[in-house]
Amino acid sequence: DAKTTQPTSMDCAEGRAANLPCNHSTISGNEYVYWYRQIHSQGPQYIIHGLKNNETNEMASLIITEDRKSSTLILPHATLRDTAVYYCIVRAGYAGNMLTFGGGTRLMVKP
Amino acid sequence: GAVVSQHPSWVICKSGTSVKIECRSLDFQATTMFWYRQFPKQSLMLMATSNEGSKATYEQGVEKDKFLINHASLTLSTLTVTSAHPEDSSFYICSARGSLGSYEQYFGPGTRLTVT
Repeated sequence: DAKTTQPTSMDCAEGRAANLPCNHSTISGNEYVYWYRQIHSQGPQYIIHGLKNNETNEMASLIITEDRKSSTLILPHATLRDTAVYYCIVRAGYAGNMLTFGGGTRLMVKP
Repeated sequence: GAVVSQHPSWVICKSGTSVKIECRSLDFQATTMFWYRQFPKQSLMLMATSNEGSKATYEQGVEKDKFLINHASLTLSTLTVTSAHPEDSSFYICSARGSLGSYEQYFGPGTRLTVT
């Protein structure tokens, strides 16, 4: 699977949009971009995933560049409960493949 | 949505004893289960992958005789840490994937193991 690069940490003001970038310049055509987050001392929580189109759900939006070499996860109105480590993972979409976690971005939402 | 549970949520044991951690898929059949380990302030590291009814496949550097994995049914996998030592103290997280056609992984809440 392609490697991802994320900033180590970011701060965001409560109520503002949090934009978390991820670089995946070696992504292949059959690889999806997944985002998970991990709140302290809990298991990872699925947020969203996409292949090439932008995606939106009740938690977040995922913007993937046209060349698919980078993406941005957007939390539209960050709350204190969104403070967590956010992982961007690239994974091929076939049954034999598992999620491999990198360092992630530690997002701190501040009041 | 798919729910994965782990038991216990935390455990303290003495050095030299064995500890078993259970991972259950509550509302789906998990043909594949994954076990991860996470040390403080570090990312999740995959330890092993198990398919129901088969022997687990361990990642490089993970001792299969120390970390015994059993995946005897489609809803239950167990990880036994044998002869635990303080350096085995960690956060252990299981993940389950459903039957063919669904590639999504669902994670359990994790088990905090402390070896004294």
